[in-house]
Amino acid sequence: KNQVEQSPQSLIILEGKNCTLQCNYTVSPFSNLRWYKQDTGRGPVSLTIMTFSENTKSNGRYTATLDADTKQSSLHITASQLSDSASYICVVSARGGGNKLTFGTGTQLKVEL
Amino acid sequence: EAQVTQNPRYLITVTGKKLTVTCSQNMNHEYMSWYRQDPGLGLRQIYYSMNVEVTDKGDVPEGYKVSRKEKRNFPLILESPSPNQTSLYFCASRSHGPGDEQYFGPGTRLTVT
Repeated sequence: KNQVEQSPQSLIILEGKNCTLQCNYTVSPFSNLRWYKQDTGRGPVSLTIMTFSENTKSNGRYTATLDADTKQSSLHITASQLSDSASYICVVSARGGGNKLTFGTGTQLKVEL
Repeated sequence: EAQVTQNPRYLITVTGKKLTVTCSQNMNHEYMSWYRQDPGLGLRQIYYSMNVEVTDKGDVPEGYKVSRKEKRNFPLILESPSPNQTSLYFCASRSHGPGDEQYFGPGTRLTVT
């Protein structure tokens, strides 16, 4: 069964600090991995999309890494801001069959002063 | 502006009273889908559509219906809502490419009493 697991479940950091969120998956056959940011009560917004051949991708202060061999990904947030407070969701797409997406349950990040 | 719209955004209804949540996208995307999001669970796919008149069940289709008569619209129908369908619902759309961006609507918060 395809699964995506994220850790930690929740995280509190001080403004200006860095943090790293983890994602492990067992989706096969692998197509791509996405990270989304979801503010409370709103729809998820895409941060990065990585295919099998990409091992890092950046979007401003967000940098995602992918190790397709170990089936792990991380999202690194640099110099956090209060507006980074949100849920971060790892999503893995399987090849074929409508490119079905498997969602992780998310890491709830809170950035405090 | 590229967007996915949903209506209504909030809905409180009673058990058994049929309702429809509309979804529309202006990006000419072939692929549309519906998800529900519940606390502690990841986004779970209800139904998806790969093009006009082509729909298929996702992971949790029971109690829901959809239709895709036009490319831009993908309504979600609850023929006889029950309290366990109280949830936050998201519509999403994307093109057919496996790495293509998926855009989510703003969400519909449904409460069934």
